[in-house]
Order: sequence, then structure tokens, then C-alpha cells
Amino acid sequence: QSVLTQPPSASGTPGQRVTISCSGSSSNIGSNYVYWYQQLPGTAPKLLIYRNNQRPSGVPDRFSGSRSGTSASLAISGLRSEDEADYYCAAWDDSLSGPVFGGGTKLTVL
Amino acid sequence: QVQLVESGGGVVQPGGSLRLSCAASGFTFSSYGMHWVRQAPGKGLEWVAFIWFDGSNKIYGDSVKGRFTISRDNSKNTLYLQMNSLRTEDTAIYYCAKGGGGDQREFFDYWGQGTLVTVSS
Repeated sequence: QSVLTQPPSASGTPGQRVTISCSGSSSNIGSNYVYWYQQLPGTAPKLLIYRNNQRPSGVPDRFSGSRSGTSASLAISGLRSEDEADYYCAAWDDSLSGPVFGGGTKLTVL
Repeated sequence: QVQLVESGGGVVQPGGSLRLSCAASGFTFSSYGMHWVRQAPGKGLEWVAFIWFDGSNKIYGDSVKGRFTISRDNSKNTLYLQMNSLRTEDTAIYYCAKGGGGDQREFFDYWGQGTLVTVSS
């Protein structure tokens, strides 16, 4: 059982906009930054969004993040086939004194 | 460019021990905290441990506390994970990850390719 809650799956067609939600509590998302990681099939995770809505260099601006209260979301616009991957949200948890993850969302591009 | 290369994975019996290594390059290793994160087959990510840039402090996930020890050798640019009293539920790919800028405990900005640990009799 993951501390952060994500939908197990999401899907969209090329060019569409898709959002993935991440729900937490006051001890994690409610009081700390949210991070998003992308894991392409068979590869290691990669940092996609940091500090709620910042993109590392090289990440396309089609990817955006937001946080409100104890929830966060990742939006992907102009969906492309290469976006098919697992997406994980994460945040520091003050009660557990460590980073916690969502269970991951498998994004399928139809 | 940042490179993290894990090694030391393999098959071990329940109750056994294993030591993982992570060779770092492309950044000033001694200036950054480092993490271990694992992923059981077909499952999600689980944070394992973090060590401060100078090795002065270490924190662990509840599932490995008392059994695993994270350490580092800044003269060799290498991170370690000593795993004792291994259980079948420790079977996973173990990733070494560099702590991100700012509060390096919070996130991981670069990841290695991972090394597979299988605990089985």
C-alpha cells in the first residue's frame, strides 16, 4: 500500500492532453514539494518534475506539474507515443522522515 | 555527464548477506547526498536509504531499518549498501540515485541502471 495514491492507469490518443493525479496528506504533499518521475519500459526512472512544477533541462514543456492542498497532478499535453511509460509521484513525508512514492500510473498512448 | 553504475547484485538465500556498490562519475561526489531506491518485480518504487554528503548521517526506510547499512567512500567516489538478514520480500532491482539540489534528502535527480537482487532458496 503506497503512501501517495495514484490511479493505476491512464490513456490518451496522440495529440491529446492527459492528467495524472496524486493524492497525499498534510504530512507529505500538504507541506512539502512534489516530484514526478518517468520510467520508460525496461529503463531506470528519470526526474520529470521537481519542486511541484519545475522542469529539469531537457524535459519538454509539454510536461507540467501542479500542487493544491494535499493533492498534485501531472499534465501531459500533445501526447506522443514515446510518452508511454509509468509515472510516479513522490514527496518527503514528515511523519515517516523519508521520501514516499505513489504506486505509479501506467500511461498508454492509444 | 553524471554516471551511476551499480554492481554486486545476485542470488542469495534467505538470511544471507550481500553488498551493493555504486560507482559515481561526472559530478563532485563528495558534495552530494546519495540514495538507494528499490523496485520489486512488476511493482512500484520504494525508497531504501539516504546518506549525507560527508557520511555524517544516514536515514532508512522502515522495511530495512536494522538490517541494511548505507555507507560511502568519497575517496573512491563509491556508494555502498550492506544488506544483511535478507528476506524474500527484499527481491528487487536496487537503484543508486543522486540527491537533488537543495534538500538532497527529498528527491533524486539522476539514477543508475540498477542491479537485481534475488532472495530465494
